[in-house]
Amino acid sequence: QAQLRQSGPGLVKPSQTLSLTCDISGDIVSSRSAAWNWIRQSPSRGLEWLGRIYYRSEWYDSYAESVKGRISVTADTSKNQFSLHLNFATPEDTAVYYCARDTGRVLDSWGQGSLVTVSS
Amino acid sequence: DIVMTQSPDSLAVSLGERATINCKSSQSILYSSNSKIYLSWFQQKSGQPPKLLFSWAFTRESGVPDRFSASGSGTDFTLTISSLQAEDVAVYYCHQYYSVPYTFGQGTRLEIK
Repeated sequence: QAQLRQSGPGLVKPSQTLSLTCDISGDIVSSRSAAWNWIRQSPSRGLEWLGRIYYRSEWYDSYAESVKGRISVTADTSKNQFSLHLNFATPEDTAVYYCARDTGRVLDSWGQGSLVTVSS
Repeated sequence: DIVMTQSPDSLAVSLGERATINCKSSQSILYSSNSKIYLSWFQQKSGQPPKLLFSWAFTRESGVPDRFSASGSGTDFTLTISSLQAEDVAVYYCHQYYSVPYTFGQGTRLEIK
């Protein structure tokens, strides 16, 4: 299994960008057999898949409709990490955010989780 | 989107007794070309990320005790703990990865009676 370590601010002001980074060890972000996901969890929405990025000769991404237009997931091969950027944050984006690897679509490795609060 | 519905929402079982959690998908999550069911089961303990227990509906992950089993077909699936242990107290989730957006059940909270 890969080891994923998340980092980023725990408090974001409304209308600002929520950004988190996930450092990967035990795998590489450009692996052609893995994809790199962001998932969040809140009492009101449960576990919610947000988006993913993966490399198959070129980079591909896909996003949940609920955040499409505000979200981007990017990869940095030089640092072996991937990141979540969620623009125009609102209090409804307050949640515990997880990064996760999927291999063959199975979510087999998860980060430790990051509580992000959107509040002024 | 594929909706995953679990039942019950919470469950209290005596130590050593059987616990059964159900999950229903709103449409088939069987991929006919490879005959695989795109379903996982996760266990989440307080303050921790979800832990993968089963993938492909029935494949137990390494290190998962054999008192845990998974079954089902079509759109109805079941996670069973044959003899509940204290360390099994957690919230359990089913998850479909048949199509994007990936979706999860709402969770079943398992407690000791």
